[in-house]
Amino acid sequence: EADIYQTPRYLVIGTGKKITLECSQTMGHDKMYWYQQDPGMELHLIHYSYGVNSTEKGDLSSESTVSRIRTEHFPLTLESARPSHTSQYLCASSPAYEQYFGPGTRLTVT
Amino acid sequence: AQSVSQHNHHVILSEAASLELGCNYSYGGTVNLFWYVQYPGQHLQLLLKYFSGDPLVKGIKGFEAEFIKSKFSFNLRKPSVQWSDTAEYFCAVNEWGNNRLAFGKGNQVVVIP
Repeated sequence: EADIYQTPRYLVIGTGKKITLECSQTMGHDKMYWYQQDPGMELHLIHYSYGVNSTEKGDLSSESTVSRIRTEHFPLTLESARPSHTSQYLCASSPAYEQYFGPGTRLTVT
Repeated sequence: AQSVSQHNHHVILSEAASLELGCNYSYGGTVNLFWYVQYPGQHLQLLLKYFSGDPLVKGIKGFEAEFIKSKFSFNLRKPSVQWSDTAEYFCAVNEWGNNRLAFGKGNQVVVIP
């Protein structure tokens, strides 16, 4: 099973701030994903990457951006946080079809 | 786009009762199917998966799921639940050749001791 790390676990930040949510995995998986999840709702894919220097937008439109400079690292950035960005953000990695998830970052924008 | 339906979002049952959670998907082609579980305060964990072969899949902690292609379903079952099975359960599907998962809205299961 993959080891997926996400930091911070909880973040409360003011409107207009720039934030970066970190995600790292130690299993050498090529595929990595970012999901957004609100309470009682399904996970929505916002970004994915199938390898270094490869990033794509997911099914749910998001103002965030991602980068994949190293296999193990897939950070997500919000240039200017807004209250509508308040949500839980989950990172996952995959060797093939099944995905392994990190603990998530719960973001609150005030 | 692929869609996944899970009904009965909140399920409350007593220990030793049987559990069955329904999952239906919309895609008509070949699919991979998954059930994930999220225990309180923990991250999403893979409970079981189906790629091909025997449509009855055994997972961890006594869970099993049955793939019925004609019904586009992948229902999760456990004959006798325990208090520690209190968790949220998510069904997920991807199409062959597409690594992107589509998730259902989840079932919040509470087991009363």
